[in-house]
Formats: sequence, C-alpha cells, structure tokens
Amino acid sequence: QVQLQESGPGLVKPSETLSLTCTVSGGSVSSGGYFWSWIRQPAGKGLEWIGHIYTSGTTNYSPSLKSRVTISVDTSKNQFSLRLSSVTAADTAVYYCARVACSGGSCYTWFDPWGQGTLVTVAS
Amino acid sequence: QSVLTQPPSVSGAPGQRVTISCTGSNSNIGAGYDVHWYQQLPGTAPKLLMYDNSNRPSGVPDRFSGSKSGTSASLAITGLQAEDEADYYCQSYDISLTSSGVFGGGTKLTVL
Repeated sequence: QVQLQESGPGLVKPSETLSLTCTVSGGSVSSGGYFWSWIRQPAGKGLEWIGHIYTSGTTNYSPSLKSRVTISVDTSKNQFSLRLSSVTAADTAVYYCARVACSGGSCYTWFDPWGQGTLVTVAS
Repeated sequence: QSVLTQPPSVSGAPGQRVTISCTGSNSNIGAGYDVHWYQQLPGTAPKLLMYDNSNRPSGVPDRFSGSKSGTSASLAITGLQAEDEADYYCQSYDISLTSSGVFGGGTKLTVL
C-alpha cells in the first residue's frame, strides 16, 4: 500500500525558508485522482491544513499561509515538497504529508495515508 | 480558533458510550462537504477513523460510528476501551476559504 515519508532539516533559523520533502512509495505521485497535501501540528495543539497539489500541478493553499507557501511535485523522484518562507517561532510544528483521494466525483475528501511526521523547530 | 468546533475533552468509563461533536457552519459542513474523523494516539500521526460522515475504513471496529446533520457531525464510541484513549479530530472543507481543508480543534478522550 501507499506509504509517505517526510524528510528535511529539523532546525530552521527565523526569517529563513523551511523546506520539506515527502517521498511516496507503493504508488505514484503521477497517478491521477489524488491531491498531495501538507498539514502541520504545533506541540500540544491541533491540526492545521497548509495546502495541496494535484497531479496536474494545480495547487491550493491555506489563505493564512498563502503568501509564504509553495508546494511542488517532482515526478522523477516520486516526491512532493513544501517550502515555507520567512519562518518565525510560530511555524515550529510537526509537519505531516498526506494523500487525498478523489472519490465519487469529489476531491474534497479525507486524508489517508499520512506520513509519520517530522518536527521542525524555528530557532536561532 | 478552529473553523470546526469540538469539545476540548470528553471522558467515560470502560464499557460506556461517549459522543464527540463537531460543529461547523453553512460554509463548510452545511455547504454539503462531508466530515471525516481521525484518531491520534500519543506521539503518532493521525489515523483515519471515519470517512464520508459514517463510513469506517477496514480495520476500524464497529464500536465507532459517525453521523452528520445540518451544520454538525458527531462521532460515537460504544463499549469504551482503554485503547480508545486518544485525541480525535474532525475534518471537512470550507467554501469561504477557497475550499481549504479545515479541522476541528481536537477532543481528548479519557477512559476513566
């Protein structure tokens, strides 16, 4: 079955850019009918949707993060990536990648599977 | 403030029934978007527990059930077990936020 694995630096300095990659195994990011998503969770807090990318490259971002977020896909490596610019301490969180499957004519469905998550700390 | 509202905590004794509510608005649940539920055990990633309001993925016990009505949804757990102690999140989409994904703030279930 499809598995997702996040990777990237665990420490980022304030004002710099956070970059994470999600590697997909057991499936292809090129397969139609899926959104590839990023979600984050600050310690002790709830889940926050960051955005997603469709296999065609179409993206949708959280309005609160849109000015700082870029999600891209690399089909040759079967990966998709997150870049979050001008980070502050408020961006410290566990970052998850997840897949959304289009179902019954809708692509506004559930997140499954999820990666295990990776902690990113913003500090100098 | 989360777009979807959940109680911060619920509790129940083993064997009892608990429900977790998820309240939205006419721009998300009330707009026709389905509600999905996740269970997050301590230190682990969220796991899909219920999809499309009331459907259980393979492997989820039938002690878990879900429903949706109007601008709200709920998750019910019967025959509470110690292993059910976890955080539970509801999720949908919001048309006023360019169809962004939205989550509830999460509910901590304590098995007494």
